[in-house]
Amino acid sequence: QVQLVESGGGVVQPGRSLRLSCSASGFTFSTYALHWVRQAPGKGLEWVAAISYDGLNKYYADSVRGRVTISRDNSKNTLYLEMNNLRAEDSALYYCARGVTPTWYSAFEYWGQGTLVTVSS
Amino acid sequence: EIVLTQSPVTLSLSPGERATLSCRASQSVSSRQLAWYQQKPGQAPRLLIYGTASRATGIPDTFSGSGSGTDFTLTISRLQPEDFAVYYCQQYASPWTFGQGTKVEVK
Repeated sequence: QVQLVESGGGVVQPGRSLRLSCSASGFTFSTYALHWVRQAPGKGLEWVAAISYDGLNKYYADSVRGRVTISRDNSKNTLYLEMNNLRAEDSALYYCARGVTPTWYSAFEYWGQGTLVTVSS
Repeated sequence: EIVLTQSPVTLSLSPGERATLSCRASQSVSSRQLAWYQQKPGQAPRLLIYGTASRATGIPDTFSGSGSGTDFTLTISRLQPEDFAVYYCQQYASPWTFGQGTKVEVK
């Protein structure tokens, strides 16, 4: 069965960096676009970034563009989110998600359980 | 960016009642690119409906979606105890956006 397992979250000071990982199994990783979605405590869902199946195309929310880089290693079945110059407003539970279909224009059928990022001095 | 506005913010109903949730888009959304999710406390979102009206795997037929253009609706025909949760709509044309959510609570 499809599994997505995020890791790498933690408490980090403002201005510092963090790299999140999402380890995938149960499907052909290299054929699916993938996404990161975040949820601040008690708030709604916010899409963060998307990456095509081959890693060549990437898309970012305005709120993170320039500070965040999405990448993937298809040989390791792993998705990454490199976050730099972190701000308090980046504090959230970060989910990776896979679509119903391989294209990135697809509803998010599979979600991990999330990894919590807290930006605080 | 397409902004999705959900209403009401909170819906107070009793088990067995019908729930009607609304999602209005700031500009026209392709009916192929509108989805609904359910989220319970401490859990990841769960896909209910995609392509406006197609139920995801394992979703009971008490859940149905409809709409077109800028107005979309999620209907739960008879609320079960496990249906009390927060519901989000989403459009998945780039950039992807979610509505702010509707909480369905027990009256």
